Amino acid sequence: GAGVSQSPSNKVTEKGKDVELRCDPISGHTALYWYRQSLGQGLEFLIYFQGNSAPDKSGLPSDRFSAERTGGSVSTLTIQRTQQEDSAVYLCASSSTGGTQYFGPGTRLLVL
Amino acid sequence: GQQLNQSPQSMFIQEGEDVSMNCTSSSIFNTWLWYKQDPGEGPVLLIALYKAGELTSNGRLTAQFGITRKDSFLNISASIPSDVGIYFCAGQMGGGATNKLIFGTGTLLAVQP
Repeated sequence: GAGVSQSPSNKVTEKGKDVELRCDPISGHTALYWYRQSLGQGLEFLIYFQGNSAPDKSGLPSDRFSAERTGGSVSTLTIQRTQQEDSAVYLCASSSTGGTQYFGPGTRLLVL
Repeated sequence: GQQLNQSPQSMFIQEGEDVSMNCTSSSIFNTWLWYKQDPGEGPVLLIALYKAGELTSNGRLTAQFGITRKDSFLNISASIPSDVGIYFCAGQMGGGATNKLIFGTGTLLAVQP
């Protein structure tokens, strides 16, 4: 596609529910990244996929967070048993190997 | 998570003024990047720096990769209203280590016409 797309744009959920956030990277990009941006803060790295290599999960804040990338393209970030502190904008980026990261518009998650 | 020290946190200036912001890190990076984020959008890359001491321009924007590899600055000359937004620096190790970006805390820029 023309750019990175993410869905949904906004998500409101109740504390304790699970949520799934989707990222469609730019076609042909081998690397995919998830970041989290809390209100008034910079972006915080969560997880990074590069081709068929094992993902770098070093930024995931707890075991409630997981992500997968199927077929080297679309990625899903799952947050289980959501907490209010999970409220943030979740941004996805993709790049060619070692190239510039292009960001999607983000999913705004609000946990009530 | 780790974040870089970015200053100032916010700036309120008149149209036509020059702006300067900087970023420092306790770690060495191989690449420094500057992004701009508009409301409701993801960050957009403005300038990428790949070599210590490098000075790079993109229109009215100029950025430098510090010689110690632990800092960078961004200058905007002759600001215009559309420069409004949040500016982030980011450092990247790359080179096979990891390509994840470590972001600064952001500088909010407001330009009054």
